[in-house]
Amino acid sequence: AQRVTQPEKLLSVFKGAPVELKCNYSYSGSPELFWYVQYSRQRLQLLLRHISRESIKGFTADLNKGETSFHLKKPFAQEEDSAMYYCALGNYGGSQGNLIFGKGTKLSVKP
Amino acid sequence: DAGVIQSPRHEVTEMGQEVTLRCKPISGHNSLFWYRQTMMRGLELLIYFNNNVPIDDSGMPEDRFSAKMPNASFSTLKIQPSEPRDSAVYFCASRRPGLGVTDTQYFGPGTRLTVL
Repeated sequence: AQRVTQPEKLLSVFKGAPVELKCNYSYSGSPELFWYVQYSRQRLQLLLRHISRESIKGFTADLNKGETSFHLKKPFAQEEDSAMYYCALGNYGGSQGNLIFGKGTKLSVKP
Repeated sequence: DAGVIQSPRHEVTEMGQEVTLRCKPISGHNSLFWYRQTMMRGLELLIYFNNNVPIDDSGMPEDRFSAKMPNASFSTLKIQPSEPRDSAVYFCASRRPGLGVTDTQYFGPGTRLTVL
Protein backbone atom coordinates (compact mmCIF):
# COMPACT_ATOMS: atom_id res chain seq x y z
CA ALA A 1 0.00 0.00 0.00
CA GLN A 2 1.14 3.54 -0.67
CA ARG A 3 2.35 5.24 2.45
CA VAL A 4 4.39 8.26 3.54
CA THR A 5 6.24 8.25 6.84
CA GLN A 6 7.66 11.31 8.55
CA PRO A 7 9.26 9.93 11.70
CA GLU A 8 9.71 13.23 13.52
CA LYS A 9 6.72 15.15 14.80
CA LEU A 10 8.88 18.00 15.98
CA LEU A 11 12.36 19.12 14.98
CA SER A 12 14.07 21.94 16.79
CA VAL A 13 17.33 23.53 15.57
CA PHE A 14 19.22 26.75 16.12
CA LYS A 15 19.50 29.45 13.48
CA GLY A 16 22.38 28.76 11.13
CA ALA A 17 22.42 25.03 11.82
CA PRO A 18 21.76 22.48 9.08
CA VAL A 19 18.33 20.94 9.00
CA GLU A 20 17.05 17.67 7.56
CA LEU A 21 13.41 16.66 7.64
CA LYS A 22 13.02 12.98 6.97
CA CYS A 23 10.49 11.39 4.64
CA ASN A 24 10.20 7.76 3.63
CA TYR A 25 7.66 6.36 1.23
CA SER A 26 6.18 3.06 0.17
CA TYR A 27 5.18 2.82 -3.48
CA SER A 28 5.49 0.05 -6.01
CA GLY A 29 5.92 2.19 -9.10
CA SER A 30 7.95 5.26 -10.00
CA PRO A 31 7.07 7.82 -7.32
CA GLU A 32 6.15 11.47 -7.65
CA LEU A 33 7.12 13.23 -4.43
CA PHE A 34 6.49 16.69 -3.03
CA TRP A 35 7.08 18.83 0.01
CA TYR A 36 4.31 21.16 1.15
CA VAL A 37 4.77 23.78 3.87
CA GLN A 38 2.38 25.62 6.16
CA TYR A 39 3.74 28.77 7.78
CA SER A 40 1.95 30.21 10.78
CA ARG A 41 -1.34 31.84 9.77
CA GLN A 42 -0.78 30.99 6.12
CA ARG A 43 -2.19 28.42 3.76
CA LEU A 44 -0.59 25.10 3.04
CA GLN A 45 1.47 25.57 -0.12
CA LEU A 46 3.78 23.63 -2.37
CA LEU A 47 7.45 24.04 -1.48
CA LEU A 48 9.07 21.81 -4.06
CA ARG A 49 8.59 18.68 -6.14
CA HIS A 50 11.25 16.14 -6.96
CA ILE A 51 10.52 16.13 -10.68
CA SER A 52 11.63 19.76 -10.93
CA ARG A 53 14.94 19.17 -9.13
CA GLU A 54 14.69 22.71 -7.84
CA SER A 55 15.92 24.58 -4.80
CA ILE A 56 13.32 26.76 -3.11
CA LYS A 57 14.19 29.11 -0.24
CA GLY A 58 17.47 27.22 0.09
CA PHE A 59 15.74 23.86 0.52
CA THR A 60 16.54 20.83 -1.60
CA ALA A 61 15.27 17.28 -1.61
CA ASP A 62 16.76 14.31 -3.41
CA LEU A 63 14.83 11.22 -4.27
CA ASN A 64 16.69 8.09 -3.15
CA LYS A 65 14.90 5.11 -4.64
CA GLY A 66 17.19 2.61 -2.93
CA GLU A 67 16.31 3.94 0.49
CA THR A 68 12.80 5.01 -0.58
CA SER A 69 13.46 8.42 0.91
CA PHE A 70 12.89 12.05 -0.02
CA HIS A 71 14.49 14.00 2.81
CA LEU A 72 14.27 17.80 2.83
CA LYS A 73 17.51 19.61 3.57
CA LYS A 74 18.79 23.11 4.13
CA PRO A 75 22.41 23.89 5.05
CA PHE A 76 21.67 26.95 7.22
CA ALA A 77 18.27 27.22 8.87
CA GLN A 78 16.61 30.62 9.30
CA GLU A 79 13.97 31.62 11.84
CA GLU A 80 11.48 32.19 9.03
CA ASP A 81 11.78 28.50 8.13
CA SER A 82 9.77 27.64 11.23
CA ALA A 83 6.65 25.93 9.92
CA MET A 84 4.83 22.65 9.48
CA TYR A 85 6.27 20.54 6.68
CA TYR A 86 4.40 17.76 4.91
CA CYS A 87 5.89 15.20 2.56
CA ALA A 88 3.44 13.94 -0.07
CA LEU A 89 3.34 11.06 -2.54
CA GLY A 90 1.44 11.18 -5.81
CA ASN A 91 -1.15 8.46 -6.07
CA TYR A 92 -2.30 7.65 -9.56
CA GLY A 93 -5.52 5.97 -8.51
CA GLY A 94 -8.59 7.55 -10.04
CA SER A 95 -8.84 9.58 -13.19
CA GLN A 96 -6.36 12.31 -12.28
CA GLY A 97 -4.78 11.09 -9.07
CA ASN A 98 -4.35 12.59 -5.65
CA LEU A 99 -1.69 13.05 -2.97
CA ILE A 100 -0.98 10.94 0.08
CA PHE A 101 0.44 13.10 2.86
CA GLY A 102 2.65 12.16 5.77
CA LYS A 103 1.68 13.26 9.25
CA GLY A 104 3.96 16.27 9.08
CA THR A 105 6.99 17.58 10.95
CA LYS A 106 6.93 20.84 12.84
CA LEU A 107 10.21 22.66 12.39
CA SER A 108 11.18 25.19 15.03
CA VAL A 109 14.24 27.35 14.36
CA LYS A 110 15.46 29.08 17.48
CA PRO A 111 17.44 32.34 17.45
CA ASP B 1 -7.69 35.80 -7.65
CA ALA B 2 -8.67 35.22 -4.02
CA GLY B 3 -7.59 31.63 -4.20
CA VAL B 4 -9.63 28.81 -2.75
CA ILE B 5 -12.34 30.20 -0.48
CA GLN B 6 -13.71 28.31 2.49
CA SER B 7 -16.50 29.21 4.87
CA PRO B 8 -16.97 29.44 7.71
CA ARG B 9 -13.44 29.90 9.02
CA HIS B 10 -14.45 28.77 12.48
CA GLU B 11 -17.40 26.68 13.58
CA VAL B 12 -18.34 25.71 17.10
CA THR B 13 -21.29 23.40 17.48
CA GLU B 14 -22.76 20.93 19.88
CA MET B 15 -22.70 17.19 19.50
CA GLY B 16 -25.55 15.94 17.37
CA GLN B 17 -25.90 19.08 15.29
CA GLU B 18 -25.51 19.21 11.53
CA VAL B 19 -22.45 21.01 10.21
CA THR B 20 -21.95 22.20 6.64
CA LEU B 21 -18.59 23.37 5.37
CA ARG B 22 -18.31 25.21 2.08
CA CYS B 23 -15.63 25.57 -0.55
CA LYS B 24 -15.23 27.62 -3.70
CA PRO B 25 -12.31 26.40 -5.84
CA ILE B 26 -10.14 28.58 -8.02
CA SER B 27 -11.89 29.41 -11.27
CA GLY B 28 -10.86 27.04 -14.04
CA HIS B 29 -9.71 24.30 -11.71
CA ASN B 30 -11.46 20.98 -12.26
CA SER B 31 -10.23 18.86 -9.33
CA LEU B 32 -11.33 19.52 -5.76
CA PHE B 33 -10.10 17.84 -2.60
CA TRP B 34 -11.38 17.77 0.98
CA TYR B 35 -8.84 17.05 3.74
CA ARG B 36 -9.00 16.78 7.50
CA GLN B 37 -6.06 17.81 9.67
CA THR B 38 -5.57 16.58 13.25
CA MET B 39 -2.56 16.36 15.51
CA MET B 40 -2.82 12.60 15.75
CA ARG B 41 -3.44 11.70 12.12
CA GLY B 42 -1.96 14.63 10.21
CA LEU B 43 -3.50 15.53 6.87
CA GLU B 44 -5.97 12.96 5.60
CA LEU B 45 -7.75 12.98 2.25
CA LEU B 46 -11.49 12.58 2.74
CA ILE B 47 -12.76 12.77 -0.82
CA TYR B 48 -11.86 14.24 -4.16
CA PHE B 49 -13.83 15.29 -7.20
CA ASN B 50 -12.83 15.56 -10.82
CA ASN B 51 -15.12 17.57 -13.09
CA ASN B 52 -17.72 17.61 -10.27
CA VAL B 53 -17.77 13.81 -10.06
CA PRO B 54 -16.62 12.09 -6.85
CA ILE B 55 -13.62 9.92 -7.74
CA ASP B 56 -12.42 8.55 -4.42
CA ASP B 57 -14.37 8.79 -1.17
CA SER B 58 -12.56 6.00 0.63
CA GLY B 59 -11.27 8.49 3.18
CA MET B 60 -14.72 9.55 4.34
CA PRO B 61 -14.85 8.27 7.93
CA GLU B 62 -18.41 7.00 8.00
CA ASP B 63 -21.94 7.62 6.81
CA ARG B 64 -22.20 10.73 8.92
CA PHE B 65 -19.98 12.47 6.39
CA SER B 66 -21.18 13.43 2.92
CA ALA B 67 -19.82 15.70 0.22
CA LYS B 68 -21.32 17.22 -2.88
CA MET B 69 -20.14 19.28 -5.80
CA PRO B 70 -23.24 20.54 -7.63
CA ASN B 71 -21.21 22.68 -10.02
CA ALA B 72 -17.64 23.63 -10.86
CA SER B 73 -17.55 26.55 -8.44
CA PHE B 74 -18.98 25.10 -5.23
CA SER B 75 -18.64 22.12 -2.94
CA THR B 76 -19.97 21.21 0.49
CA LEU B 77 -18.88 18.80 3.18
CA LYS B 78 -21.64 17.89 5.60
CA ILE B 79 -21.43 16.11 8.93
CA GLN B 80 -24.68 14.88 10.40
CA PRO B 81 -24.80 14.25 13.30
CA SER B 82 -21.53 15.77 14.46
CA GLU B 83 -19.46 14.22 17.26
CA PRO B 84 -16.62 15.61 19.40
CA ARG B 85 -14.09 13.39 17.57
CA ASP B 86 -14.90 15.31 14.38
CA SER B 87 -13.16 18.35 15.82
CA ALA B 88 -10.36 19.20 13.38
CA VAL B 89 -9.31 21.65 10.70
CA TYR B 90 -10.93 20.87 7.36
CA PHE B 91 -9.14 21.98 4.22
CA CYS B 92 -10.35 22.27 0.68
CA ALA B 93 -7.88 22.31 -2.20
CA SER B 94 -8.23 22.61 -5.95
CA ARG B 95 -6.07 21.77 -8.95
CA ARG B 96 -6.18 22.84 -12.57
CA PRO B 97 -6.74 20.37 -15.41
CA GLY B 98 -3.94 18.88 -17.39
CA LEU B 99 -0.96 17.57 -15.41
CA GLY B 100 -2.87 15.50 -12.87
CA VAL B 101 -1.08 14.37 -9.76
CA THR B 102 2.15 16.15 -10.65
CA ASP B 103 0.50 19.56 -10.57
CA THR B 104 0.16 21.83 -7.57
CA GLN B 105 -2.81 21.65 -5.23
CA TYR B 106 -3.92 25.07 -3.99
CA PHE B 107 -5.28 25.05 -0.48
CA GLY B 108 -7.91 27.15 1.18
CA PRO B 109 -7.43 28.70 4.62
CA GLY B 110 -9.30 25.87 6.34
CA THR B 111 -12.32 25.65 8.62
CA ARG B 112 -11.58 24.99 12.28
CA LEU B 113 -14.43 22.84 13.60
CA THR B 114 -15.03 22.34 17.29
CA VAL B 115 -17.76 19.96 18.37
CA LEU B 116 -18.61 20.25 22.06
